[in-house]
Amino acid sequence: QKEVEQDPGPLSVPEGAIVSLNCTYSNSAFQYFMWYRQYSRKGPELLMYTYSSGNKEDGRFTAQVDKSSKYISLFIRDSQPSDSATYLCAIGNNDMRFGAGTRLTVKP
Amino acid sequence: DAMVIQNPRYQVTQFGKPVTLSCSQTLNHNVMYWYQQKSSQAPKLLFHYYDKDFNNEADTPDNFQSRRPNTSFCFLDIRSPGLGDAAMYLCATSTLGGTYEQYFGPGTRLTVT
Repeated sequence: QKEVEQDPGPLSVPEGAIVSLNCTYSNSAFQYFMWYRQYSRKGPELLMYTYSSGNKEDGRFTAQVDKSSKYISLFIRDSQPSDSATYLCAIGNNDMRFGAGTRLTVKP
Repeated sequence: DAMVIQNPRYQVTQFGKPVTLSCSQTLNHNVMYWYQQKSSQAPKLLFHYYDKDFNNEADTPDNFQSRRPNTSFCFLDIRSPGLGDAAMYLCATSTLGGTYEQYFGPGTRLTVT
């Protein structure tokens, strides 16, 4: 079992939809939960992160952590075509484990 | 703006011909990382530096070497590239106390012919 699992998609939604992206992890000791956005042929860009548990909101983006289920989510409200990218989760403490990324397309 | 810079952005090399990729940063971060990312896969950590302290991942092939001559620069040397080494190579940095928060460069896409 991989330490971090992420559904690769692809996921295609119409503009304005609410998008839910998810990762699961295996080690209950992990404390940092990161979300990166990666545009095609570019490096990952840190979007937001959560420490320990709970929710965090930043504009149209909300990150959630459910430690009891070892499950994290990133929600995108009012999705825009500019949100089309691959979204990677990274989970760990000092050594981060990356998911393979979910490719999202938001269609106008 | 503080940033992580990688050169070149695209590199084509021949099978077996040594190649060097470079990374520089203006963030003054102590920690620098090299990742290999193949299409639709997670970035795979090759090695990282805590200042000049080099840390090699156990499954990083000997074909991959690295140098960090100073805080700002880090190099990835591939001594004898094979076709399987074609990938995006990502450099990242972090502070010593914040290794969970990594800042990435734009990557170098390596093609091996």
